[in-house]
This record gives sequence, C-alpha cells and structure tokens, in this order.
Amino acid sequence: AQRVTQPEKLLSVFKGAPVELKCNYSYSGSPELFWYVQYSRQRLQLLLRHISRESIKGFTADLNKGETSFHLKKPFAQEEDSAMYYCALRAGGSEKLVFGKGTKLTVNP
Amino acid sequence: KAGVTQTPRYLIKTRGQQVTLSCSPISGHRSVSWYQQTPGQGLQFLFEYFSETQRNKGNFPGRFSGRQFSNSRSEMNVSTLELGDSALYLCASSLLGLAGAADTQYFGPGTRLTVL
Repeated sequence: AQRVTQPEKLLSVFKGAPVELKCNYSYSGSPELFWYVQYSRQRLQLLLRHISRESIKGFTADLNKGETSFHLKKPFAQEEDSAMYYCALRAGGSEKLVFGKGTKLTVNP
Repeated sequence: KAGVTQTPRYLIKTRGQQVTLSCSPISGHRSVSWYQQTPGQGLQFLFEYFSETQRNKGNFPGRFSGRQFSNSRSEMNVSTLELGDSALYLCASSLLGLAGAADTQYFGPGTRLTVL
C-alpha cells in the first residue's frame, strides 16, 4: 500500500531560522515524490518534485530511498513561507497522488 | 493561460439529494483527477480520467461517479448525499503526453460542498 506520513501537524519557527518539514513514505516500487503548498486563500500548487532536483523559493528536498524520506528544508525561513505544506507520492503509470495530512508552517516575525 | 476552473464554488445540499460538480482543465490538458479534502481525512483521491476513460478510482462508494467529455471537461456526481460528504472537492489537470508520461498536476480552487 502507498502511504505518506507527515508527523508534524503544526510547525512554528522564527523568521531567519532554518526549517525542516518531515515526510516519510511507504511504497514498494520507485515512487515520484512532490511537495505541494497552499497559501491562505489560494489553491494548492506544486512547490517542487524530486526528479527535477531544483530549489524553489529557497526550498530543497532530497529523496532518501534508504530512509524512505523526502524532507523539505529551507535554511532561512521567511514570513511569506507561512502556509500549509503537503507531501505527495505518485506511483508509476497513474496520475493518482497520495497525500500526507499536511503540516501547517507558521513563521513568526 | 487560464488555470483550472471549478463550478460552482459553493454548494449547500440536504441529505439524500444528489449533486454534480464541474471542472474545466487548463487548455490542452487531457487528464483530469478529482480529490476530496476534509479536515479528518485530508486529501483523498477519487478518480482520474483521460480521453473520456476512467483510468483509476479511489476507495469511495459507488455513490461517487464521474465522467469526462471530449473537450476534456469533467463532472463528478454524488448521489444520495450523506452528512459525511461535506468537503472541499478539488479537481486537477495535467498535460499527459502521448507516451503516457505523468506530468505536473495543476489544481483548481475547489467546490465547497455542505450537506445539511
């Protein structure tokens, strides 16, 4: 079965502090991993995907197959990063996304 | 390019009624997926359509159904509504090349369904 776990429902940091949002997954094959973000009153949007290996808005995420993790990191959090973050997994051959329950990040001034 | 649009944005129904939600994908996108978002269960996959065919279905009862038209627009229908069907229903579209390679999904704003 495919499963995505985000252990923290809420995460609060101060501006300028490093932030790490955790994501662990369960899947027997080779998954495709994503981070989606939802800012207040905006639609869900893709932040980054592991296969592109790019940094978006200063965020990076590395797929660790040994630990089955795909943690999202940013060295210096900004107030505009406050949002709901969802980790998602897609198995091959389908558009179906399996989402974690999400982590609400609050960056305090 | 216009994003994914969903209509209506808000809907109030009573138990036992049925409802139809509509989704217009980004122009040129051929794949449409539907998700249900609730505070308790989070985002759950409902179904996926490509070229008017359902390619995948989530673990939902048969009261939930959908279809896709030749212009890629999609509708989902929920019959015999229950209180637990109250949720935000999200639609997502993706380009999906001829080779079937999966692509980025773009989400709509959702339809907020309230069942009284």
